Amino acid sequence: DVQLVQSGGGLRQPGGSLKLSCGASGFTFRAFEMSWVRQAPGKGLEWISSISSTGRPTVYSDSVKGRFTISRDNAKNSVSLQMDSLRVEDTAIYYCTRVGWNAFDYWGQGAVVTVSS
Amino acid sequence: EIVLTQSPATLSLSPGERATLSCRASQTISYHLNWYQQRPGQAPRLLIYDASDRATDIPARFSGSGSGTDFTLTISSLQPEDFAVYYCQQRNMWPYTFGPGTKVDI
Repeated sequence: DVQLVQSGGGLRQPGGSLKLSCGASGFTFRAFEMSWVRQAPGKGLEWISSISSTGRPTVYSDSVKGRFTISRDNAKNSVSLQMDSLRVEDTAIYYCTRVGWNAFDYWGQGAVVTVSS
Repeated sequence: EIVLTQSPATLSLSPGERATLSCRASQTISYHLNWYQQRPGQAPRLLIYDASDRATDIPARFSGSGSGTDFTLTISSLQPEDFAVYYCQQRNMWPYTFGPGTKVDI
């Protein structure tokens, strides 16, 4: 079975940094694009970043460009999101997703990120 | 950026009834439209991709249609587990965007 297991959420002050990780199993990880989607409290879904199967190219939403960095390690079947210069508005549940069938076909369990002073 | 509009915001129905959810794109997106279901406290789940193809293990009561700018998700006979929030999402161009969601409640 496809599984995406996330780790790394937490509480940070504005301006701080946090790294989210997502471990994949049950499929050929190196063959799939991966993405991150977030959901602010009580709000809808927002795509924030994607990375191709090889690691290049990477794409970001305007809301996180220049502050967040997506990366992957195909040898370790993992994808990460390094979040710097955090803002209060980055508070959300962050989901790791696989891109299959041109959609976000599998989702991790989510990681809660809270940015507050 | 492509803006997706979903209607209605809330749909109040009873088990066994038919649900029809709409998603409209601000510009043509061909068939590049996906639908997701999100139950309270859970991660979203892919229901329909490419406007009309059911994802793995999705029951046949879920169907999608449409192309261009207007899309529909239909649940033929609502089951208790179908009361949730439904999001459409376009993959026609970056940035990928989601609609604001339709809540289907009892």
